[in-house]
Amino acid sequence: ELKVEQNPLFLSMQEGKNYTIYCNYSTTSDRLYWYRQDPGKSLESLFVLLSNGAVKQEGRLMASLDTKARLSTLHITAAVHDLSATYFCVFNTGNQFYFGTGTSLTVIP
Amino acid sequence: GAVVSQHPSWVICKSGTSVKIECRSLDFQATTMFWYRQFPKQSLMLMATSNEGSKATYEQGVEKDKFLINHASLTLSTLTVTSAHPEDSSFYICSAGGAKNSYEQYFGPGTRLTVT
Repeated sequence: ELKVEQNPLFLSMQEGKNYTIYCNYSTTSDRLYWYRQDPGKSLESLFVLLSNGAVKQEGRLMASLDTKARLSTLHITAAVHDLSATYFCVFNTGNQFYFGTGTSLTVIP
Repeated sequence: GAVVSQHPSWVICKSGTSVKIECRSLDFQATTMFWYRQFPKQSLMLMATSNEGSKATYEQGVEKDKFLINHASLTLSTLTVTSAHPEDSSFYICSAGGAKNSYEQYFGPGTRLTVT
């Protein structure tokens, strides 16, 4: 059974702090995505990770992929309030996309 | 970038009526479209995968006679919720693949359905 597990499910952190969201998946993956969702909105693509060791950074967010460990991380550096949202990891194999549970992030001023 | 639109953005309907939601890829041809539903504070649940010109593939537990999907062209897929009930109230999101970067799927803005 294919599983995508995110940890933590809920996260409250102060502005300026760092934190990492973890995404474990249970089988080999063609690629790994990270999306952001604001309340009442659809998904916004953040990163696509295509191969083992891939690292991508955009602003205060950095995503990495370790296919051997079946682990992807989303690291938040010096959080700001605007980063408050729900973050999903999604792994893709063939034509199928499998969603993680989501991590609801609240950044407190 | 590739753009996917949904119509309507939100809809309120009475129990027992049917509602159609459209998903369009505006600047690319989508060979595959996906339909998801999302309940509050939950992840997206795949309902069905739709390929142009063929019948949709439904996920286990999704009633194909209740959620009718038509993918009539490479730029349009529709989801019709038939005989809607309050428990069908949800956020419905479509996504489309097959754009220039073939491994990407592009999400529509979602449709909020409320059944009274």
